[in-house]
Amino acid sequence: NAGVTQTPKFQVLKTGQSMTLQCAQDMNHNSMYWYRQDPGMGLRLIYYSASEGTTDKGEVPNGYNVSRLNKREFSLRLESAAPSQTSVYFCASSEVSVRRGSFTTNEKLFFGSGTQLSVL
Amino acid sequence: GESVGLHLPTLSVQEGDNSIINCAYSNSASDYFIWYKQESGKGPQFIIDIRSNMDKRQGQRVTVLLNKTVKHLSLQIAATQPGDSAVYFCAENIRTGYSTLTFGKGTMLLVSP
Repeated sequence: NAGVTQTPKFQVLKTGQSMTLQCAQDMNHNSMYWYRQDPGMGLRLIYYSASEGTTDKGEVPNGYNVSRLNKREFSLRLESAAPSQTSVYFCASSEVSVRRGSFTTNEKLFFGSGTQLSVL
Repeated sequence: GESVGLHLPTLSVQEGDNSIINCAYSNSASDYFIWYKQESGKGPQFIIDIRSNMDKRQGQRVTVLLNKTVKHLSLQIAATQPGDSAVYFCAENIRTGYSTLTFGKGTMLLVSP
């Protein structure tokens, strides 16, 4: 049972290049997330997928696109990389999805080991 | 690359001491809270969670305390070990629409033998 697996672990890009970060989870979770982590900024949500077939913007979506390929896989794409996208990227999946009246909440995220991306 | 711990508040303790890591959360409507541990070069790892209808919850060597009056959360680690050295994040689940966890910036815990 691998949990959340991200590839690659490290990547160096030149400004303007494109790439896709891959993420897969084997816990049968419905919800998946992409976060970026920068020094002094904590974890910030880029995009999430509440369930297979849906994706939504998080706090910092500009410059990124995502695809929920199936229940297991959620990819993050940088179409034209910029130095401001130098960061550590984490994929996560959620164990619990709770419907409470007019809102839905997810709890206890499980994280992958991260991708360190440098854009020169 | 830069360390995730750069510029973080730091708590330094001796092995065997009890550690208390504090977190102020932002939204009085938050009803779920969670602590994560992040070791260097790794992803955040779940430690313990608590719902707003509780004031205290205990796990193995860890206790989370919630004070809703002052919007404060703390993580207590008993008999701290060198392996506890890491960055610790609190997160809250703000109850609006489709809510996701909002993370604090973290505290670095350094345990010396």
